[in-house]
Amino acid sequence: QQQVKQSPQSLIVQKGGISIINCAYENTAFDYFPWYQQFPGKGPALLIAIRPDVSEKKEGRFTISFNKSAKQFSLHIMDSQPGDSATYFCAASKAAGNKLTFGGGTRVLVKP
Amino acid sequence: DTEVTQTPKHLVMGMTNKKSLKCEQHMGHRAMYWYKQKAKKPPELMFVYSYEKLSINESVPSRFSPECPNSSLLNLHLHALQPEDSALYLCASSQAPGLLAKNIQYFGAGTRLSVL
Repeated sequence: QQQVKQSPQSLIVQKGGISIINCAYENTAFDYFPWYQQFPGKGPALLIAIRPDVSEKKEGRFTISFNKSAKQFSLHIMDSQPGDSATYFCAASKAAGNKLTFGGGTRVLVKP
Repeated sequence: DTEVTQTPKHLVMGMTNKKSLKCEQHMGHRAMYWYKQKAKKPPELMFVYSYEKLSINESVPSRFSPECPNSSLLNLHLHALQPEDSALYLCASSQAPGLLAKNIQYFGAGTRLSVL
């Protein structure tokens, strides 16, 4: 059972454009929603995370939007750069727990 | 320092070999994890150690045997693997579970395992 659904599977965006990745979750017990960025040959690295008491969180060019009632959250990458080309995973967990449930991943390619 | 170090980076082994993967962190984290990641897929949780005790085993075959010798080290012993076990094996660490903790998991770069 896939508890976190992520879309799209892949995304091509021009340099300077906006990349948008969406995730939906089912388990209402989740209260911590991180996004991980993974480059080829590397492990995932935490990019940004949000708790459900906040509707939006921004760090530099990366913004998470959170809709608790819809059980959806999304990552926006503003002014996308070729160096942002990577696979992005959304995830969900109980903040006090130790088990992450990952979405299926989105491969982002930023064309110069 | 948020580094999780994994060795070796690459490993090729036959189906009758015994090998071990190693993971080390010095962030004072008391939870450590093993994940398996196939190409174009998300990481799949295999094992979780909390305070050096195995707390989660995601029904992993016995040919994979984890070990946590101390709070900084995590090993994964491999024996009689199958070609389908070829994957990227990732180690991660985080604060131990608790009400004040955040489940921020820090990942190593992984060991690329090929089973021939």
